[in-house]
Amino acid sequence: EVQLVQSGGGLIQPGGSLRLSCEASGFTVNSDYMSWLRQTPERGLEWVSVIYRGGYTYYAEFVKGRFTISRDNSLNTVYLQLSSLTAEDTALYYCAKGFGEFAQWGQGTLVTVSA
Amino acid sequence: EIVLTQSPGTLSLSPGERATLSCRASQSVSSSYFAWYQQKPGRAPRLLIHATSSRASGIPDRFSGSGSGTDFTLTISRLEAEDSAVYYCQQYADSPLTFGGGTRVEIK
Repeated sequence: EVQLVQSGGGLIQPGGSLRLSCEASGFTVNSDYMSWLRQTPERGLEWVSVIYRGGYTYYAEFVKGRFTISRDNSLNTVYLQLSSLTAEDTALYYCAKGFGEFAQWGQGTLVTVSA
Repeated sequence: EIVLTQSPGTLSLSPGERATLSCRASQSVSSSYFAWYQQKPGRAPRLLIHATSSRASGIPDRFSGSGSGTDFTLTISRLEAEDSAVYYCQQYADSPLTFGGGTRVEIK
C-alpha cells in the first residue's frame, strides 16, 4: 500500500527557513515523479514543485528560487526546503506521488509565517 | 497559465438527487489531462476522475466525468450523505498544473 507521511512545518518568522519531509512507503521515490502542492483559503490549491525520476526539478513561478525540492533515496524521502519565507507562503503543504493527476497524497503539514 | 473557473460555488441538494458540477478552462485542455477531486474537512484531496472520464480506483460508479475543450462536468448521479465535500477540477495538460476554486456540495 502506498503511503506518504509528512513531517516538518510549524510557525516560522518572515525571512526564515524550514524543511518539510515526505517519507514514502509502498514504492520508491526515485521510481516516480514526486510533487509538492499547497493550499490556502485565499488561493486554493497550488502546485509548487516536482522532482523527476532522473532528478530534474521544476518549480512554480511564485517560488522564485526560494524553495528547493530534493530526495534521499536511502531514506525513501522527499524534501522541500523553504527559505526567504513571507506571509504569503502560509499554507497547508502536501506532498503527492506523480506529476499529473495525484492519486496519493500525504496528510499535509501546516506552515505559518508570522512574526 | 490555464485558469479553471468552477460553478456553482455551492450546491445544496437532497439525498438521491443528481449533482452537476461545472469547470470552465480559460483555454482548451486536452481531455486526456483533466481530473476531479473530492476534499472533506481536515483531509487531503481524493482523486475521483482522471483523463476527464476515468474513475480512479475504488470510486463508486455514481461519480462520472465528461467534457472537452474548455467545458468539463462532474456528475454525481444519486447523492449520498457521504458526498458532502468540496470538489475541485484540475488540468495537467499544461504547466503550471492548475486547480479550480472548488464547488461545495451540501446535502440537505
